Amino acid sequence: DAGVTQSPTHLIKTRGQHVTLRCSPISGHKSVSWYQQVLGQGPQFIFQYYEKEERGRGNFPDRFSARQFPNYSSELNVNALLLGDSALYLCASSLVEFSGNTIYFGEGSWLTVV
Amino acid sequence: AQSVTQLDSHVSVSEGTPVLLRCNYSSSYSPSLFWYVQHPNKGLQLLLKYTSAATLVKGINGFEAEFKKSETSFHLTKPSAHMSDAAEYFCVVTGPHTGGFKTIFGAGTRLFVKA
Repeated sequence: DAGVTQSPTHLIKTRGQHVTLRCSPISGHKSVSWYQQVLGQGPQFIFQYYEKEERGRGNFPDRFSARQFPNYSSELNVNALLLGDSALYLCASSLVEFSGNTIYFGEGSWLTVV
Repeated sequence: AQSVTQLDSHVSVSEGTPVLLRCNYSSSYSPSLFWYVQHPNKGLQLLLKYTSAATLVKGINGFEAEFKKSETSFHLTKPSAHMSDAAEYFCVVTGPHTGGFKTIFGAGTRLFVKA
């Protein structure tokens, strides 16, 4: 079975632009979460979605938004990009939203803001 | 609220010697705890998880961790390091948070393995 897939793998954007990152969870997984990993740091939780509803939000500004579609895939949107948004963005999926469930990560999308 | 602290940013061991990566957690609820490994330019791979069953958890590649509630610790160990173990290791706690769930990562511990 395919794992968590993310696209694009790498992208470069200019300050002030908007970006959309996409994620397809493992087949059968209904929960998707997003993380930002700045170089040299641990991943920071951004959002969690379950059954198309937002179930958790980290300490990120309103420029960050996400949604989950009926097929459980997800998009992360970032508006008005700043240089500090340059990071690896990780998507993860789990079967259900309960905290004991294993979270499976994708390879990530590398975003560079110039 | 949950938090996790990895006590060492870097650990260096010689091949064949034991590995100890330390993690302390804080949680208002019974936590679920995980260790993930990240090799350079790779995604995160689950090593092991604790979810209120046995306190000694065995994972992949010879790693294991012991949940100690009295010490709020979940240290990762391996009896004998291999060169391929060189990577970044993250201790992770998940739990309820304001109507949903939240996943908190530690800052990571970089493991160096010397030949």
